[in-house]
Amino acid sequence: DTGVSQNPRHKITKRGQNVTFRCDPISEHNRLYWYRQTLGQGPEFLTYFQNEAQLEKSRLLSDRFSAERPKGSFSTLEIQRTEQGDSAMYLCASGGTGGIYGYTFGSGTRLTVV
Amino acid sequence: QKEVEQNSGPLSVPEGAIASLNCTYSDRGSQSFFWYRQYSGKSPELIMFIYSNGDKEDGRFTAQLNKASQYVSLLIRDSQPSDSATYLCAVNPGSGNTGKLIFGQGTTLQVKP
Repeated sequence: DTGVSQNPRHKITKRGQNVTFRCDPISEHNRLYWYRQTLGQGPEFLTYFQNEAQLEKSRLLSDRFSAERPKGSFSTLEIQRTEQGDSAMYLCASGGTGGIYGYTFGSGTRLTVV
Repeated sequence: QKEVEQNSGPLSVPEGAIASLNCTYSDRGSQSFFWYRQYSGKSPELIMFIYSNGDKEDGRFTAQLNKASQYVSLLIRDSQPSDSATYLCAVNPGSGNTGKLIFGQGTTLQVKP
């Protein structure tokens, strides 16, 4: 499979619990992005990695959110002490250097906080 | 003012007609522009990108860019029911070279048989 893979596809969690999502990018892509999308809205940028370095974080990414990309391969996004407002689709995308040609999204992880 | 604005629709066109989707952006330094299609419950998929003023054609799709007016559009010729989806306009801002995209809220297109 040469696409972007995200796991799990769906996650239901109780408010206050911690959750972690995983993204496996296309192997030759050195850039990796996390976005969040709520119903009726376009994706909102959360953070960006080039190789293992996290180069940009959105103001949307509060201190309850953390993302890592050890060794520049897969990435994880962790949300601590989840809130109902965190319910959304979390999308990962990968791309080559420059990004001018756009990038490929994974299938996303749908998070529901109850 | 939102950075990237689209009419949420729905835009309804009959099968075989031309669908015209529009997008405006606020950052004059924006470098490149993208159209993504998103079916309900699925992730966005890239249809086209454009970074020079004018038209760019790919099959039934034509992207149009007017940087002076800060306006991007997508034309879909011979619309098919399978084109029914939400179309997202995305802009790569002028600052830096991160590849970060700013998305509009999307326009829902309905193609009626």
